[in-house]
Amino acid sequence: ETGVTQTPRHLVMGMTNKKSLKCEQHLGHNAMYWYKQSAKKPLELMFVYSLEERVENNSVPSRFSPECPNSSHLFLHLHTLQPEDSALYLCASSQVASGIKFFGPGTRLTVL
Amino acid sequence: GEDVEQSLFLSVREGDSSVINCTYTDSSSTYLYWYKQEPGAGLQLLTYIFSNMDMKQDQRLTVLLNKKDKHLSLRIADTQTGDSAIYFCAERRDSSYKLIFGSGTRLLVRP
Repeated sequence: ETGVTQTPRHLVMGMTNKKSLKCEQHLGHNAMYWYKQSAKKPLELMFVYSLEERVENNSVPSRFSPECPNSSHLFLHLHTLQPEDSALYLCASSQVASGIKFFGPGTRLTVL
Repeated sequence: GEDVEQSLFLSVREGDSSVINCTYTDSSSTYLYWYKQEPGAGLQLLTYIFSNMDMKQDQRLTVLLNKKDKHLSLRIADTQTGDSAIYFCAERRDSSYKLIFGSGTRLLVRP
């Protein structure tokens, strides 16, 4: 595998479910990001991990919980989501010193 | 404000040139980027320009930067149907991790 991969590609969940999104990068990068892409809104940066430490958390509700066990993997744990959380969740990676980001294909999340 | 603004939609005929425009607000932006998103896919970096440059050309793509007016454009020469996608411009300020994205311009290429 090359680049940035995300699983699952599609996820439908109820408001009481707990699920996790997974991201893996094969580029040797040391920073990873979660973005939310909703219809008709600009991309929203949710979380940033640099050298496996969280360096930014943009006022994201606690029902979203990120985890970065190593520089190649990033998770987004989801629990008790709301229908308005339905969106495309994109993972990206980069070198810390570079702003050039490589994005995964995204997970299309639908909350019923 | 933080806004990066783009027009929502552009339609061109195959073989013509496309010009996608973007305005940004922060004069301290160091890099400006163009990303492409095809249906069902993530964002793909097309090109970027450093703020001390006026122009960058890469095959069919030409980026123009007017720093005084805070205006960025992406010209696609000889536009093909495979260029149909949403194009996002983004700015990076100083050494921030954060990229500020526009809402995207949907380009439709008509045969």
